[in-house]
Amino acid sequence: SQKIEQNSEALNIQEGKTATLTCNYTNYSPAYLQWYRQDPGRGPVFLLLIRENEKEKRKERLKVTFDTTLKQSLFHITASQPADSATYLCALDISGHTGFQKLVFGTGTRLLVSP
Amino acid sequence: EADIYQTPRYLVIGTGKKITLECSQTMGHDKMYWYQQDPGMELHLIHYSYGVNSTEKGDLSSESTVSRIRTEHFPLTLESARPSHTSQYLCASSGLAGDTQYFGPGTRLTVL
Repeated sequence: SQKIEQNSEALNIQEGKTATLTCNYTNYSPAYLQWYRQDPGRGPVFLLLIRENEKEKRKERLKVTFDTTLKQSLFHITASQPADSATYLCALDISGHTGFQKLVFGTGTRLLVSP
Repeated sequence: EADIYQTPRYLVIGTGKKITLECSQTMGHDKMYWYQQDPGMELHLIHYSYGVNSTEKGDLSSESTVSRIRTEHFPLTLESARPSHTSQYLCASSGLAGDTQYFGPGTRLTVL
């Protein structure tokens, strides 16, 4: 069966450390992979997109890697801050270059950054 | 901040009532989506639209219906609400393929 796995347990880290979140998937061949941030009671907010032919993408303190052989993406937040505390969602674009974007979401990993 | 709006933000309603959840975007996006999300669970696509007069059902079966008469407007309707419809409903829109999806703040629906 097709599924996306993210750490279901919350990740607790101290301020200033690097947070690493994992997204594993099976039986998908995504054209793109995206990471979103979701705060309680709010809609997800886009953070980064990485294509199937890209290994790594960076944006400020954020870095995402994409290994299509391992079927895994890692999402890193360096110099983490309490304001980074949220749930981070991995989403696969399985539209297959059809021109219509179809995202499948993981359940998300909750990140808690302590001062 | 995304220019996509949902009303109401919270709705508590009795079984059997007809409800319409509103979603509007001012970005001129052709593609719009409705997702359903239960607490601690993943988002499930229930409806999507390529553009005006185009609507499709998503992966998760839903008793709701949608319409797309105007580009900016994508309302979701439940003809007869039931407690099993209690959930958070998120509307989103996107432009080019591979582009990000912009989400609204969501409507938290509770059916008693």
